Parts: sequence; C-alpha cells; structure tokens
Amino acid sequence: GENVEQHPSTLSVQEGDSAVIKCTYSDSASNYFPWYKQELGKRPQLIIDIRSNVGEKKDQRIAVTLNKTAKHFSLHITETQPEDSAVYFCAASISNDYKLSFGAGTTVTVRA
Amino acid sequence: NAGVMQNPRHLVRRRGQEARLRCSPMKGHSHVYWYRQLPEEGLKFMVYLQKENIIDESGMPKERFSAEFPKEGPSILRIQQVVRGDSAAYFCASSPRDMTYEQYFGPGTRLTVT
Repeated sequence: GENVEQHPSTLSVQEGDSAVIKCTYSDSASNYFPWYKQELGKRPQLIIDIRSNVGEKKDQRIAVTLNKTAKHFSLHITETQPEDSAVYFCAASISNDYKLSFGAGTTVTVRA
Repeated sequence: NAGVMQNPRHLVRRRGQEARLRCSPMKGHSHVYWYRQLPEEGLKFMVYLQKENIIDESGMPKERFSAEFPKEGPSILRIQQVVRGDSAAYFCASSPRDMTYEQYFGPGTRLTVT
C-alpha cells in the first residue's frame, strides 16, 4: 500500500515568517494530495489539495507544490499568524482507490 | 448546511464492553469512511461504505470490529469486547459520490477504555 512520510514532526516559526512542510509518497499511482489542518481536539479540516496534473496551487497565504518525478509534495504557509498554529497532515490517494494515506503530522507553532 | 456529525463525542467503556460510534454524513453525501487516530499519530484508514454496502474494509482489524451504513440512519462503527489498545479518536469522513476525492471529516469520537 501507499506509504506517506512527513517532515518535520515539529516546526516553530516567528510570526510573519514562512513555514514549509514536506511529504514523500511511495506509490507512483497516487494522484491526489490533500492537506489537512487539525487544531487541538478538533476535526481535520481540508485546507488545500492538488491533483497530479498540476505542479503548484495557491490559495491566499498557502500553496502546495508537487514533484511527481521525485514523489514529493510540500505545503508552504507565508506570513504566518498565531492562528496558523495547529497540526498539519499531508495525505495521498491512488486513482480509483478513495482511501487516504496520511503522514504522521507536523505540529506548527507560530511565536508572536 | 450541516457538516459531518458524529456522536457521542466522548465515550468511556470498561474492558470487555461494546462501543458504538455513529456518523451522519453531510447532506447529499452517500459515501462514508472511518479512520482511527492514535495519540500523536496520523489517521489510519479503516473502512469505506456506501449505503447498505461495505466497499473496502482492508483497514479494519479482523476481529471485534464491524461497520455498517444502513439504508436509513447513520453509519455505525461497532467495537466488541473493547481493550485498552482501542482507546483512540475515531473520525468519519464523507464525500458526495464515487470517484470524488474530497473527504470532509466529522468532529470525531474519543473512545477511552478503562
């Protein structure tokens, strides 16, 4: 099955700086890569996703890049704010196979 | 437009008891997925259901765990004879139709086995 690895496990950034989280996947058939944000005790919330037919996608302060050749994808958060503090999970899904395989998560702390 | 609903939010069971977790998908969604999250870990797929059908249960433990999504009513994840290792957060997600990737999660049920 698909194996997703996520780094770093923790990330502390100064407010206003950028945060980057990287994930790798094992199955070249994977073609859908969502990112979820989970605040303490809350549900995972889909914040951005990318499909394998594009290399980059942006939504305001967040962006995701995908390198299919290297089988890795990254989340970029610019101008970080305290409310960005949360655990972020990457995931991957294989075409025709709906289940999401998640990374272990990155705990992001934005220092004021 | 209500999101995915789960209840109870917190459930405490003694070893050997049964746990029943309920999930109502978003309006218009007919596909339900269950995931388990152990402390400090990511989510692990358990089972995928459509109305009256189990599509994929490859992530379900072979014993004590079962799931259903009846024609009427919520999806149920049932854990029989719970053990301490079953303590976790159980999330369900829903999506509107087959071959749709986006999955929206409920608030989870936090099961504690004492």
